[in-house]
Amino acid sequence: NAGVTQTPKFQVLKTGQSMTLQCAQDMNHEYMSWYRQDPGMGLRLIHYSVGAGITDQGEVPNGYNVSRSTTEDFPLRLLSAAPSQTSVYFCASSYLRGRSGANVLTFGAGSRLTVL
Amino acid sequence: QQQVKQSPQSLIVQKGGISIINCAYENTAFDYFPWYQQFPGKGPALLIAIRPDVSEKKEGRFTISFNKSAKQFSLHIMDSQPGDSATYFCAAINTGTASKLTFGTGTRLQVTL
Repeated sequence: NAGVTQTPKFQVLKTGQSMTLQCAQDMNHEYMSWYRQDPGMGLRLIHYSVGAGITDQGEVPNGYNVSRSTTEDFPLRLLSAAPSQTSVYFCASSYLRGRSGANVLTFGAGSRLTVL
Repeated sequence: QQQVKQSPQSLIVQKGGISIINCAYENTAFDYFPWYQQFPGKGPALLIAIRPDVSEKKEGRFTISFNKSAKQFSLHIMDSQPGDSATYFCAAINTGTASKLTFGTGTRLQVTL
């Protein structure tokens, strides 16, 4: 059981480049989300999805795009990378409320992004 | 506006000592309070969680104390071990809404020999 798989683990970009961080889960979780982790800032929610075809913005959505075409996959797109997007990105998933294990987020191992 | 405030930012404890991390929240609609543990290079993982209808929950050396009237909760790690060295995040959620956890800013714990 792989859980939540994120790729790539490391990436260096130049300002203005675009890229996609991949996230896949094999637990049939309805809820998927992306967080960024910065020193002293904790984990901040970027975007989230409660099911295929449904996405919504979190706390810090600017500069990022998401889509959810399948239950398993939730890619995060950086449209035009900026140095302020240098961070560690985590994908996390869970069941929705009302189901056993709801509200317990399972995190991926993270993707470290550096924008020069 | 930070809805969950966590302190201290970092903590150094000797082996065998008690580690205490505190969190305070503002939104009275929060009804589930988990703690996540994160080792370097890994994603956070659920450690222990509590609902506001109890004042304390214990799992092994880890205890959550909850004070609903003060809107505060804390994590106590008894007999702290070097293997407990990690970053700890408190979090809160209103389970009546979509699963959007609000995290504290994290506490980096170092347990020395």
